[in-house]
Amino acid sequence: GAVVSQHPSWVICKSGTSVKIECRSLDFQATTMFWYRQFPKQSLMLMATSNEGSKATYEQGVEKDKFLINHASLTLSTLTVTSAHPEDSSFYICSASPLAGGPNEQFFGPGTRLTVL
Amino acid sequence: GQNIDQPTEMTATEGAIVQINCTYQTSGFNGLFWYQQHAGEAPTFLSYNVLDGLEEKGRFSSFLSRSKGYSYLLLKELQMKDSASYLCAVMDSNYQLIWGAGTKLIIKP
Repeated sequence: GAVVSQHPSWVICKSGTSVKIECRSLDFQATTMFWYRQFPKQSLMLMATSNEGSKATYEQGVEKDKFLINHASLTLSTLTVTSAHPEDSSFYICSASPLAGGPNEQFFGPGTRLTVL
Repeated sequence: GQNIDQPTEMTATEGAIVQINCTYQTSGFNGLFWYQQHAGEAPTFLSYNVLDGLEEKGRFSSFLSRSKGYSYLLLKELQMKDSASYLCAVMDSNYQLIWGAGTKLIIKP
């Protein structure tokens, strides 16, 4: 149980285009979903936390107008990188937690590798 | 500020035992997680400690001392597939995970 999927696994796009990444919890309802970014040889960096039906909470330094997050249902959250640039190339990972708040384990998706040319 | 410290890289021999340390300073504490991350893949959950002491799970064990702000992950009978990065993460008073930079473990035959 507790499987999280991400789509696509990898994407290559031209500078200036927008890319949408989907994160789905397959066998549980995810009250809270998290979006992370990881650059090579660095740790995970939390970008934003989203709760179903409400606006995402962005970490300091993350542009909310550039990284659009939608958590429309208890099993789906999307991250849209708008007007992508080469510096946005990174490994984007989502995770989901079945319960709101509390010391709950986060279940990670397999990640999406974004390369912006 | 909040800070998680763990060694950048460690090397061990197949079949041996290795201990990966993690020290932390966070605003509040609601548990400490260890995750394993193979190159190019997402992290996978290994352990969760919220009370002092040792939690054993097969070849992996995790220890916590809240008074010292210290944890370690102990890996026994090392296998080549254990070569990965090991991430220490602390959940703070807001139930947000604060991540360490990870320890890259290299296993040699």
